[in-house]
Amino acid sequence: DVKVTQSSRYLVKRTGEKVFLECVQDMDHENMFWYRQDPGLGLRLIYFSYDVKMKEKGDIPEGYSVSREKKERFSLILESASTSQTSMYLCASSTPFGTGSGNTIYFGEGSWLTVV
Amino acid sequence: QKEVEQNSGPLSVPEGAIASLNCTYSDRGSQSFFWYRQYSGKSPELIMSIYSNGDKEDGRFTAQLNKASQYVSLLIRDSQPSDSATYLCAVNGVDSSYKLIFGSGTRLLVRP
Repeated sequence: DVKVTQSSRYLVKRTGEKVFLECVQDMDHENMFWYRQDPGLGLRLIYFSYDVKMKEKGDIPEGYSVSREKKERFSLILESASTSQTSMYLCASSTPFGTGSGNTIYFGEGSWLTVV
Repeated sequence: QKEVEQNSGPLSVPEGAIASLNCTYSDRGSQSFFWYRQYSGKSPELIMSIYSNGDKEDGRFTAQLNKASQYVSLLIRDSQPSDSATYLCAVNGVDSSYKLIFGSGTRLLVRP
């Protein structure tokens, strides 16, 4: 069964703290993603990675960085947390998309981050 | 113009009715189309994928794709209260094989 695991489900952090969100997938997928989801704004892509040590900015990378040292693990880092980063964070993985490839994105259960 | 557009709803239907959810996309070269269901407080889960023009049926769900009109829809037959959720349409980005572009979702309410 497809499995994307986010280690922290609920976190409360203080403004200015450095925050690490960890994600592990067991499907040997090349692609991994970090999204945030806020009411009325839908899913917004923060960063994605298509290979180990490779990363690309998504739509809202400001204030975030990522690390992918191993294929199965993709970490999201908030360098200095702010209240505007209070949100649900979703990790996901997939194989590369192609015509009729049958590939899709599988999501983890989400991490609810509150910054106070 | 948003790349993937959905009516935010809520779409309210009585139990047993057909719910029709619609999505339009802007990139004419898109090839892969997906519908996700998301319950409140949960992560999205895949319910349907479609790649060719026409209909694709899976149980009570039917996905319909019309690439000429850049339109994809999801029909839910015999709607149940447990179908009440937000439905996200997703389309692969032609400029990259890595990304799906999501709509902001349509909230469906099925009244008992």
